[in-house]
Amino acid sequence: AQSVTQLDSQVPVFEEAPVELRCNYSSSVSVYLFWYVQYPNQGLQLLLKYLSGSTLVKGINGFEAEFNKSQTSFHLRKPSVHISDTAEYFCAVSGSGAGSYQLTFGKGTKLSVIP
Amino acid sequence: DAGVIQSPRHEVTEMGQEVTLRCKPISGHNSLFWYRQTMMRGLELLIYFNNNVPIDDSGMPEDRFSAKMPNASFSTLKIQPSEPRDSAVYFCASRTGLAGYNEQFFGPGTRLTVL
Repeated sequence: AQSVTQLDSQVPVFEEAPVELRCNYSSSVSVYLFWYVQYPNQGLQLLLKYLSGSTLVKGINGFEAEFNKSQTSFHLRKPSVHISDTAEYFCAVSGSGAGSYQLTFGKGTKLSVIP
Repeated sequence: DAGVIQSPRHEVTEMGQEVTLRCKPISGHNSLFWYRQTMMRGLELLIYFNNNVPIDDSGMPEDRFSAKMPNASFSTLKIQPSEPRDSAVYFCASRTGLAGYNEQFFGPGTRLTVL
């Protein structure tokens, strides 16, 4: 079984400032890692995912995340945020083995970008 | 493609009434997921279908909840009788295949309020 911890439930940040949203996971097997974003009154959409290879993953809207196996982390970063980035961000993990179909989500981090 | 379609978008009902939520997955996707999102518990997987067959319903909270997928283009989640604690946003998601690395595409959700 896997679990995900998002350490910050809310992160306020000024427009054009950098931001890091933290995610730690726990798993007894190799994993795939994901970040999803949820805009108000909408469903979740994929920002980026780590499957294998380079530990730095680039996604949509200028976001990137770094997989750190030793620290079991997958933190999301953006060098300069915009008002439109205000949303809730979910980190998720899936086992990489056969039969590992389920995504386990963290509780989410609400990013508020302040003008 | 229209994406995952859910109906209704909002549902207000009284305790004890039957509620039926509907989902149309993306054409060609053979895996379908029902999730529930609440402030307290976050995103929880309720049930997962593959090729119209329920694979894992261990997340269904009680016998009051049931889900069906009569064909590849339609699924329902039914609550009978409904209770106030069922109030939540219910999401349907679909994807291709069984592998955990495939992206799940989420619908806009149904916001259920049980009075």
